[in-house]
Amino acid sequence: AQSVTQLDSQVPVFEEAPVELRCNYSSSVSVYLFWYVQYPNQGLQLLLKYLSGSTLVESINGFEAEFNKSQTSFHLRKPSVHISDTAEYFCAASEGNQFYFGTGTSLTVIP
Amino acid sequence: EAGVAQSPRYKIIEKRQSVAFWCNPISGHATLYWYQQILGQGPKLLIQFQNNGVVDDSQLPKDRFSAERLKGVDSTLKIQPAKLEDSAVYLCASTHPLAGSSYNEQFFGPGTRLTVL
Repeated sequence: AQSVTQLDSQVPVFEEAPVELRCNYSSSVSVYLFWYVQYPNQGLQLLLKYLSGSTLVESINGFEAEFNKSQTSFHLRKPSVHISDTAEYFCAASEGNQFYFGTGTSLTVIP
Repeated sequence: EAGVAQSPRYKIIEKRQSVAFWCNPISGHATLYWYQQILGQGPKLLIQFQNNGVVDDSQLPKDRFSAERLKGVDSTLKIQPAKLEDSAVYLCASTHPLAGSSYNEQFFGPGTRLTVL
């Protein structure tokens, strides 16, 4: 079975500063990777996903993540954060129909 | 396209009471999941349905939790009797397989926040 590790439970960052949220997964032959965002009192929304092909994937709101097979990582980055990015971010891995979530990283953007 | 619907959004009960949650997945989605998300943790899978059959319920506390999806569409999750540690957000998700792929994208409902006093 997969396991997903998010080492940082809380990340405070100033507005317009860059941010990186770390995610590591356990090695697998075939795994799909995701980042979900959860705003307060809302369900999880898919931010971006890696299925195959280019190792760098981007979202429509400026986030990107890079699949690194050798380091079994899928870190999420944004060069300049906004107040509206304040939310909980979950990394997840999928094998077939099974999903495995990390414990989440709370991103707080400070004005 | 309508998303995954869940009700109620919030529920407060006392311990030892019973509670039920309802989920209506996106139309045409054969696979439905119930997750438990305790504050400060990631979602934990409770049960997975494929149509009206159970695929995985290995992490469902069967002494108090039950779930059904009788007609292969909407689903209910029940807790009887509830304990303090059941306080959590209960998320429902459904998937639609992409043609020619083993990947299934999950779509989540807004969740039901349960508080057990």
